[in-house]
Amino acid sequence: DGGITQSPKYLFRKEGQNVTLSCEQNLNHDAMYWYRQDPGQGLRLIYYSQIVNDFQKGDIAEGYSVSREKKESFPLTVTSAQKNPTAFYLCASSMGTTLYNEQFFGPGTRLTVL
Amino acid sequence: KNQVEQSPQSLIILEGKNCTLQCNYTVSPFSNLRWYKQDTGRGPVSLTIMTFSENTKSNGRYTATLDADTKQSSLHITASQLSDSASYICVVSEGDMRFGAGTRLTVKP
Repeated sequence: DGGITQSPKYLFRKEGQNVTLSCEQNLNHDAMYWYRQDPGQGLRLIYYSQIVNDFQKGDIAEGYSVSREKKESFPLTVTSAQKNPTAFYLCASSMGTTLYNEQFFGPGTRLTVL
Repeated sequence: KNQVEQSPQSLIILEGKNCTLQCNYTVSPFSNLRWYKQDTGRGPVSLTIMTFSENTKSNGRYTATLDADTKQSSLHITASQLSDSASYICVVSEGDMRFGAGTRLTVKP
């Protein structure tokens, strides 16, 4: 099956720990994105990457880091510097980054800080 | 202030009934508007996309309308089914994608 996968589905973290969320796609898409979703708010862009070994900050990049070493993979690290990391994290990919390109979303990872 | 406002925040209807969800935006310039369906605990799935020159787009029982002059869009769901229970998100693109907070729809038997 072609698609975009995220793991794990649920993740628990102690305060002060870094944690990495996985995102993989086999759609041969060039662009990948990370969003954060909080109750009552729209999705907010954390980071995006248009090509391997390149990525750009989104609206709320502070406390997060990413890498894009392979076209298929775009992991997100939530660092201890992120003040309020508990949220639902969504990864997406698109064929290109033009305004008409549809973004396909993964199933999400729910992160809870204990 | 969010550039994409959706109403109502939540809605409960009986199975078989119709409903209409609203999206008002202030994003400018405008490129396209999408409606997504998001099941609980899942990622959003695209339902429709409209450019500024289109004023209606259908996908089965889902019909989206767009009035670019008043910057309003609506999503009409016909003959609702239990599986329509989900959040519906309006997304407006102007270079960046701006997401509404969504309308939570519950369809009861």
